[in-house]
Amino acid sequence: SAVISQKPSRDICQRGTSLTIQCQVDSQVTMMFWYRQQPGQSLTLIATANQGSEATYESGFVIDKFPISRPNLTFSTLTVSNMSPEDSSIYLCSVPGQRYQETQYFGPGTRLLVL
Amino acid sequence: KQEVTQIPAALSVPEGENLVLNCSFTDSAIYNLQWFRQDPGKGLTSLLLIQSSQREQTSGRLNASLDKSSGRSTLYIAASQPGDSATYLCAVDSGGGADGLTFGKGTHLIIQP
Repeated sequence: SAVISQKPSRDICQRGTSLTIQCQVDSQVTMMFWYRQQPGQSLTLIATANQGSEATYESGFVIDKFPISRPNLTFSTLTVSNMSPEDSSIYLCSVPGQRYQETQYFGPGTRLLVL
Repeated sequence: KQEVTQIPAALSVPEGENLVLNCSFTDSAIYNLQWFRQDPGKGLTSLLLIQSSQREQTSGRLNASLDKSSGRSTLYIAASQPGDSATYLCAVDSGGGADGLTFGKGTHLIIQP
């Protein structure tokens, strides 16, 4: 299993500003995923972050809006840039299990409210 | 593009009842299907994972079934308890762990004491 922590757990931000969310894993992992959960919606994959390479973004998400860093095998950051109220969501990071057909493990999430 | 749908969106039942949550997906080419529980402020907890070659999985009072050809899964909760109150999410792995999961919107479950 993997234990994942995220900072901050929640924040209230003004529109036009940026917020960086940190994700720390208790073991070394090659892949880390970032998801967004808008109110009343399902979790949607934003991007996959691999150490040593550029993040891969899903359709509808761009690097300028959601820059990601992956400096080592246990840590990643997601920045939500130039925020608008539509960015109010829960942001979660996750890592795949190490064994074949093992579940993914999720952090507790960062609840963001943009005013 | 894989799409996952969960029915019902919300459910409120008295304690002790047995209940069924439904999940459907559009592309049957999956590696596995997973059921998660989401509690506010606590992230997601994995409940059951059914591999594509399996028909069902059981854990305690929970039983999940998978019919891959018809694109359906059910989560059966026996003898429900107030502590079961949470949002239940169905997720499909279509990329063997390399592409993340595709989630449904969830079923918000309330068990009345």
